[in-house]
Parts: sequence; C-alpha cells; structure tokens
Amino acid sequence: GAVVSQHPSWVICKSGTSVKIECRSLDFQATTMFWYRQFPKQSLMLMATSNEGSKATYEQGVEKDKFLINHASLTLSTLTVTSAHPEDSSFYICSATPGGHEQYFGPGTRLTVT
Amino acid sequence: DQQVKQNSPSLSVQEGRISILNCDYTNSMFDYFLWYKKYPAEGPTFLISISSIKDKNEDGRFTVFLNKSAKHLSLHIVPSQPGDSAVYFCAASALGGAQKLVFGQGTRLTINP
Repeated sequence: GAVVSQHPSWVICKSGTSVKIECRSLDFQATTMFWYRQFPKQSLMLMATSNEGSKATYEQGVEKDKFLINHASLTLSTLTVTSAHPEDSSFYICSATPGGHEQYFGPGTRLTVT
Repeated sequence: DQQVKQNSPSLSVQEGRISILNCDYTNSMFDYFLWYKKYPAEGPTFLISISSIKDKNEDGRFTVFLNKSAKHLSLHIVPSQPGDSAVYFCAASALGGAQKLVFGQGTRLTINP
C-alpha cells in the first residue's frame, strides 16, 4: 500500500517552454501533497505544500508564478515549470500523505532544460 | 539554518556488522522523526519513525533511538546487508507544522561484502 507515482520519470525540454509533472497517490486519498527539489548530492528541499481544492503554500524563495501547482483531486497534483531555464534542471519529487506524519514519495522526475 | 543535520556524509560498514547513522536537530518544536532510504534517481522510501514521546522504536533489523535532551537520534541496522547500501535521510516534523518535513543532508551507507 501507500504507492505514489510520478509521470514522466524524465523529460528534456527546450529553454522557454513549459513542462508539467503529475503526481498520483494510487491506493489512498492524499489530504496533502508536497513537491520537493533535489540537486545532486544534496538534500531534498521542500518547494510547496498543496491541499486538494486550495491554493498551494510555497516555501520562501520559490517563485509561485514559475512553479504552478494544481491539486485537482485527492489523488492528483501537478507541478508545471513555466518558461523553463537551464537552472531549473533538477530532480523533482512529490510526496503524499493520507494524514499523520508519514509521507510517501514518488519515484521522482528528472528534468533537463537545454 | 540547517535544522536537521547529518554530519557524516558517508559511512562504510562490513556486511553482517551494525550500521549506526546519526542525526542531530536544533528545533525543539520537532515532535516526530523519520528515516528514509534513497537510491539514485528514485524517491525516498520510508523506513521507520519515532514520536518524541518515545525513546526507541524497533522494526525488524531497524531500530531508531531518540535522545531528546541531546536533540539527537540514530538509526541502527543490524545485521547490515549489501542491499542496505543507499543514502539515508533523517527528517523531522513539528506539531502544527502543516506536516512539513525538514530533511537532513543524507548519509551514504556502503555495505562491504
């Protein structure tokens, strides 16, 4: 149980284009979903917290107009990187929680912006 | 301000021996702690957790110890197996913290045969 999927697993896009990443909780309803970013050999940095049906809460320093988050249902959240630049290249990971402290993570999405 | 710190970036242990991974925190509001295991290009996998009202939690080969006065927790893996080789992250959450997790930098554990 507690499986979270992400799609795509990797994507290459050109600078200036937008990319959408999906995060789904497959066997539970997620009251809250989180989006993280991980740079090579570094820790996971929380970007934003999203609750179904409400606006996402962004961490300090994260541009909400650049990283659009939509939590359309209790099993789906999407992250759209708008007008992507090479510095946005990173490993993006989502997590979901049915409530409580444990978060269950997706497998991640490797974004490369050329 | 690194609220959760894993001061050892790497650890090498012989197969069959005990692996001890350490984690320190500074925020006294943290009341729940978790350990995750992560392979390259994959998401973290939940291993074990502990509430601040306990000082030990055990699950099979994994045991987490919490010393609140020292703001220190550790993960013990015994016996260590080659499949345990991965990066281990400790994470903490605070009561009223909107379930947000704060992660340490991670420790790369290598189990040698």
